[in-house]
Amino acid sequence: DTAVSQTPKYLVTQMGNDKSIKCEQNLGHDTMYWYKQDSKKFLKIMFSYNNKELIINETVPNRFSPKSPDKAHLNLHINSLELGDSAVYFCASSRRTSGANVLTFGAGSRLTVL
Amino acid sequence: QKEVEQNSGPLSVPEGAIASLNCTYSDRGSQSFFWYRQYSGKSPELIMSIYSNGDKEDGRFTAQLNKASQYVSLLIRDSQPSDSATYLCAVTPIGNEKLTFGTGTRLTIIP
Repeated sequence: DTAVSQTPKYLVTQMGNDKSIKCEQNLGHDTMYWYKQDSKKFLKIMFSYNNKELIINETVPNRFSPKSPDKAHLNLHINSLELGDSAVYFCASSRRTSGANVLTFGAGSRLTVL
Repeated sequence: QKEVEQNSGPLSVPEGAIASLNCTYSDRGSQSFFWYRQYSGKSPELIMSIYSNGDKEDGRFTAQLNKASQYVSLLIRDSQPSDSATYLCAVTPIGNEKLTFGTGTRLTIIP
């Protein structure tokens, strides 16, 4: 009955490889996000989708490509992985309350690039 | 200037005392303010939200907002060891999907 689930939880790979992280939410939310948290715990938004439409696309290398097949799923594909891509990637979804979006996060996917 | 600034800490507070966490933001258009708690190795979880000037209380937690000073704070009364975590301040303009986080303050409650 997990609300926002991400897979895999851990990912260790070599530089230059391509990898994907999947995210699914069963909360009925319309908006989903990808955030990156670096080693200093700074949580930075990467992308946001609303009903499968890209609404936020921050300054992220184009090696990162999000895909939303439906409003319950948001996947992240990363090409040609670099050492600096090592981080924890959090998926989140949001509901609107009092005019603001309240986020629910997944457990995170720790990516280590060797 | 960072959009959302917090003192990274660590902030050490004796058990039972009041922990005070502070956050400033640069965008005067910010309308919604949140405090998330993140335990080590876990995901952030929402503990408080505040949208208008003044105080908002929820159990041992009080959020305070001063839009004129672009300042939001979180007070934790009767601090418990289980409150030891990183506290993330987050802000967003109203109607905007983008939630911007501060770097977080690491809080340690000393038994």
